[in-house]
Amino acid sequence: EPEVTQTPSHQVTQMGQEVILRCVPISNHLYFYWYRQILGQKVEFLVSFYNNEISEKSEIFDDQFSVERPDGSNFTLKIRSTKLEDSAMYFCASRANSGSEQFFGPGTRLTVL
Amino acid sequence: GENVEQHPSTLSVQEGDSAVIKCTYSDSASNYFPWYKQELGKRPQLIIDIRSNVGEKKDQRIAVTLNKTAKHFSLHITETQPEDSAVYFCAASRMVSNYKLTFGKGTLLTVNP
Repeated sequence: EPEVTQTPSHQVTQMGQEVILRCVPISNHLYFYWYRQILGQKVEFLVSFYNNEISEKSEIFDDQFSVERPDGSNFTLKIRSTKLEDSAMYFCASRANSGSEQFFGPGTRLTVL
Repeated sequence: GENVEQHPSTLSVQEGDSAVIKCTYSDSASNYFPWYKQELGKRPQLIIDIRSNVGEKKDQRIAVTLNKTAKHFSLHITETQPEDSAVYFCAASRMVSNYKLTFGKGTLLTVNP
């Protein structure tokens, strides 16, 4: 069964550094999402992406964040200048045009020191 | 925006007993309610979902009920087994364009053999 994949599984970075989290959604899915989960807290929506543009973003998704679909398979989340409070598990998800289920990737644990 | 509250935060049951997890939502326009199961270190996986045009849905040992008037929905697991032990998240969404999910805080279910 096709799955969403994410790399790396764990990223450690210094405060102020840029990080890029990568996701490969399920092929033929058209809707893509990023969520994050700070340890012990709920999963929070960051951004949704469709037809090569952001369709909705949350208050968390400020100017430090950006998303891109650089080719036909990858979907990336970039954080330009990481802060300590960006430490979290970041989940990518994708959804087919005809379905309601969002399929989640295994997550990338981001640790900002 | 939408707010989803989930209770209890932890639930411990004996194998064979039933487990019930409850969620409330605030946005009366929400009409899609999925439940995700997340085992330790793994990705969230959809176990059942319900749309607002039905009041109950069942899939083997798992059922979900929805009360639109009261804006709450519940997950029922019967004949629990140790492999049901995981964190369960409820979520709410509007079935328009991007289906952004708003999650509850999660319930850690432990099924004791």
